[in-house]
Amino acid sequence: GQSLEQPSEVTAVEGAIVQINCTYQTSGFYGLSWYQQHDGGAPTFLSYNALDGLEETGRFSSFLSRSDSYGYLLLQELQMKDSASYFCAGSSPGKLIFGQGTELSVKP
Amino acid sequence: DTAVSQTPKYLVTQMGNDKSIKCEQNLGHDTMYWYKQDSKKFLKIMFSYNNKELIINETVPNRFSPKSPDKAHLNLHINSLELGDSAVYFCASSQDRSRDYEQYFGPGTRLTVT
Repeated sequence: GQSLEQPSEVTAVEGAIVQINCTYQTSGFYGLSWYQQHDGGAPTFLSYNALDGLEETGRFSSFLSRSDSYGYLLLQELQMKDSASYFCAGSSPGKLIFGQGTELSVKP
Repeated sequence: DTAVSQTPKYLVTQMGNDKSIKCEQNLGHDTMYWYKQDSKKFLKIMFSYNNKELIINETVPNRFSPKSPDKAHLNLHINSLELGDSAVYFCASSQDRSRDYEQYFGPGTRLTVT
């Protein structure tokens, strides 16, 4: 089957760095995406890794290691507005398979 | 301009009723999707369409019937609603099937079945 595992909750303070891990079990994924969802809002695309290594987009970076079936999202210089749920998602032909989401709480 | 829009935003109805949710995207994308997000925030693919053609049906009960009159619209009709159908339904689109990793989501429709 296809499944992705993430921690359910992470707490950090403003200005800190936080890493949200994602491990997956599937042979069919050809890349890993990350989405952010604020309470009551829609998921929004953050980043995508098709190849092993680090992708950087401003304060957010994402990493993928295919050999370890593992990826992470790194958020730097945390701000209160970063409090949200973060989902990793595996790309399978014609669809995304989402992890169960990690709720990030940023404290002052 | 809203990229992906859905109507209605809220839908409260009784068991056994039939209801529809409409979705439109003005991004010129070829591929559209329906997702169901349950109370634990688990987001699950239901259907995907490419240029009006169904390409993914994730073992959804046949009470759910999607319809794509053109590639900018993907509607979802639900027959004989059940309590377990209560959830937030999101429509999404991507440029095409090869860019399914980058999807643009609508605001969601919160369906409550009583």
